[in-house]
Amino acid sequence: DVKVTQSSRYLVKRTGEKVFLECVQDMDHENMFWYRQDPGLGLRLIYFSYDVKMKEKGDIPEGYSVSREKKERFSLILESASTNQTSMYLCASSLTRRDKETQYFGPGTRLLVL
Amino acid sequence: DQQVKQNSPSLSVQEGRISILNCDYTNSMFDYFLWYKKYPAEGPTFLISISSIKDKNEDGRFTVFLNKSAKHLSLHIVPSQPGDSAVYFCAARTVISGTYKYIFGTGTRLKVLA
Repeated sequence: DVKVTQSSRYLVKRTGEKVFLECVQDMDHENMFWYRQDPGLGLRLIYFSYDVKMKEKGDIPEGYSVSREKKERFSLILESASTNQTSMYLCASSLTRRDKETQYFGPGTRLLVL
Repeated sequence: DQQVKQNSPSLSVQEGRISILNCDYTNSMFDYFLWYKKYPAEGPTFLISISSIKDKNEDGRFTVFLNKSAKHLSLHIVPSQPGDSAVYFCAARTVISGTYKYIFGTGTRLKVLA
């Protein structure tokens, strides 16, 4: 079974703090993704990575950066947290297979920025 | 601009009846479609998918229908069970910079009444 783990289930941070969200997958997937989920907006892609040290902006990258130094680990960084970054953050990984691909999600990190 | 739309934010169905969840999309270049199920405080889990070259895929109680001319996707659950109560997201896959990327809808909350 694919396992995607996220370092924290709940986080409370103050405005202006630097925040690190860690994601680890154990199935040697090349692709990893960070989303945020907000009521009425669904899942929106922040950043994704298709290989070590490679990253691509998603739909809402502003205020975020990412790091992928190892294949199994993908980190999301909020350089200076703001209240509008209060959200549920979801990490996912996948293999690239044209005919049968799916993403496997972690349990999510609920971040509250005060 | 929302490329994948789920116009019904919620749906209630009696146990044993059929649940039909709908999804519309605008981009004819999407080549693969997926449905995910999400319980509160958990990450989404993959449910069923369909390639754009097919019009139907069935897996147990779950069937996904694709109408390419109408750019419409639907998920049928028969018979519905109380454990099916969750938020359902449809997602569509596209290729960006040679990498697969997923666009999610806003979700439909299904409540199956016992």
